[in-house]
Amino acid sequence: DQQVKQNSPSLSVQEGRISILNCDYTNSMFDYFLWYKKYPAEGPTFLISISSIKDKNEDGRFTVFLNKSAKHLSLHIVPSQPGDSAVYFCAAKVKGNTPLVFGKGTRLSVIA
Amino acid sequence: GAGVSQTPSNKVTEKGKYVELRCDPISGHTALYWYRQSLGQGPEFLIYFQGTGAADDSGLPNDRFFAVRPEGSVSTLKIQRTERGDSAVYLCASSLTAASGGHNTGELFFGEGSRLTVL
Repeated sequence: DQQVKQNSPSLSVQEGRISILNCDYTNSMFDYFLWYKKYPAEGPTFLISISSIKDKNEDGRFTVFLNKSAKHLSLHIVPSQPGDSAVYFCAAKVKGNTPLVFGKGTRLSVIA
Repeated sequence: GAGVSQTPSNKVTEKGKYVELRCDPISGHTALYWYRQSLGQGPEFLIYFQGTGAADDSGLPNDRFFAVRPEGSVSTLKIQRTERGDSAVYLCASSLTAASGGHNTGELFFGEGSRLTVL
């Protein structure tokens, strides 16, 4: 029972273009959402987050959008750079001291 | 070091053997987490410590898995009678406190992981 779903295992984008990574969730109790980025042989690193009271959060080239009615969030990277090539994990949590629930990840390849 | 340190980075063992995986969190971080990442999957929560005590061990798959953090810093994940299905990357993460990060906001600092292969 996957509560956090990333239905695209991979995505390929040209350098300079926009990358859009999608994530769907089923648990309506989730109130905080995060994106982590993972390079090979490294642990995941936190990228950006959004609270359920917002619908958008922006940090430089990275923007996360949340659509609560659709239980959908997306990560936009613009412009995409070759160094953005990595696996991106969507994660979510219920309010309070509860563990993060991760999706399976999407491998992004940015082609120069 | 500055980050979360995990040893060994790679461990190959035979089915039925006992394994210990060690995690040294970022200095001053009181919250420590263990996750497991199987091939093609995202990280899966195992257990969380706040200080020395296990605050949530609901993710441990069965009683072959056990974790300790006796002095509130280094943690050891112990797996008894290993099975081939235990093969995965075991990730450790820490955060300053559960209130300021980690369990509250989800911002964790991960180590590079220990890759366990059970033959």
